[in-house]
Amino acid sequence: GQQVMQIPQYQHVQEGEDFTTYCNSSTTLSNIQWYKQRPGGHPVFLIQLVKSGEVKKQKRLTFQFGEAKKNSSLHITATQTTDVGTYFCAGKSNFGNEKLTFGTGTRLTIIP
Amino acid sequence: GAGVSQSPRYKVAKRGQDVALRCDPISGHVSLFWYQQALGQGPEFLTYFQNEAQLDKSGLPSDRFFAERPEGSVSTLKIQRTQQEDSAVYLCASSFLRGTQYFGPGTRLTVL
Repeated sequence: GQQVMQIPQYQHVQEGEDFTTYCNSSTTLSNIQWYKQRPGGHPVFLIQLVKSGEVKKQKRLTFQFGEAKKNSSLHITATQTTDVGTYFCAGKSNFGNEKLTFGTGTRLTIIP
Repeated sequence: GAGVSQSPRYKVAKRGQDVALRCDPISGHVSLFWYQQALGQGPEFLTYFQNEAQLDKSGLPSDRFFAERPEGSVSTLKIQRTQQEDSAVYLCASSFLRGTQYFGPGTRLTVL
């Protein structure tokens, strides 16, 4: 079945440093979504990417979808303590099925 | 407006007991999803409904797991004869057709 891997599993950064997490799917995706989950919380939707090579920005966050629609990345510039949490990518494999296959997640901690 | 709500928020069951977990989706959302999230892992798909129709139940781990959405709104996930490996957070999400999935707070199930 479809698998979605993320690296790194954990990332500790000094406040103000940049952070990047990478997502790779074993199969081509129709779209990819990114979620953030705070400790003890539930996944909160950040963004959806649909087109091959698409790049979207949200303030300090930059999201990319690979040309082959099998990989994606999330980059945070100048991290802040509010960025703490686990970042998950989640892919849909085709247009018919709405289920999401979540990645393994990257847990970000910030050293003040 | 109100988000997705789930009840109970916490459930402790003795091994072998049956449990029922409830999900109230956002009003008007056609699609409803159940995911299981083990500690330190990403959410894993269990099943999803479009209105009252269960379109995919491929993620249900065994025949002890059963989900229903009889009137196309509230959904119940039932686990019979609970086992320790069922301990996890059970997340419900809802969406408009092919829309963004919004997650509820989850039910943390602990099986002793």
